[in-house]
Amino acid sequence: GDSVTQMEGPVTLSEEAFLTINCTYTATGYPSLFWYVQYPGEGLQLLLKATKADDKGSNKGFEATYRKETTSFHLEKGSVQVSDSAVYFCALSEGSSYKLIFGSGTRLLVRP
Amino acid sequence: KAGVTQTPRYLIKTRGQQVTLSCSPISGHRSVSWYQQTPGQGLQFLFEYFSETQRNKGNFPGRFSGRQFSNSRSEMNVSTLELGDSALYLCASSFGDGSYEQYFGPGTRLTVT
Repeated sequence: GDSVTQMEGPVTLSEEAFLTINCTYTATGYPSLFWYVQYPGEGLQLLLKATKADDKGSNKGFEATYRKETTSFHLEKGSVQVSDSAVYFCALSEGSSYKLIFGSGTRLLVRP
Repeated sequence: KAGVTQTPRYLIKTRGQQVTLSCSPISGHRSVSWYQQTPGQGLQFLFEYFSETQRNKGNFPGRFSGRQFSNSRSEMNVSTLELGDSALYLCASSFGDGSYEQYFGPGTRLTVT
């Protein structure tokens, strides 16, 4: 079945450092891809999305490009802030359904 | 526009009891999905409802059930609670019309003792 693999965390960075969180997927069709962020004690917030190959999703300085040839959707940010500390989840929509399949999450800790 | 709301936010139940969780979607959204989040299993899909009909179901036992009302509000029920049902239960809503992005509520933290 479809699956999502994320890099293990935690990822610890200093403020203003460059961030990359790797995400690869396995899918039989052409899923939509998403990044969600979860702050402590909260639900998931949609960070960005891409619906087809070569689409670039972006929001709040974060970017990710849907790469069909490498089945990847890596999350990047040029300069992280302490407030970006959270858990980040990569997800895909299975087939043409509303079932989201999530990666295991990557905890990001940004130090001042 | 108000976001997805879930009630209650916290629950403590005893093994063998049953529980009902409630979710109100974003206005205009007709699809509601439920997910279970645990440290060991991560985020797992329970089921999805659209226009009062269950469209998709995950791999959970029959003790987990749900329903959706005509105003798109949804409830999920867990009967005969087990210790392993302790989790954060997240509800997500979507237009359900082919745009697959989902918006999540804050969750209900269920503790089974």
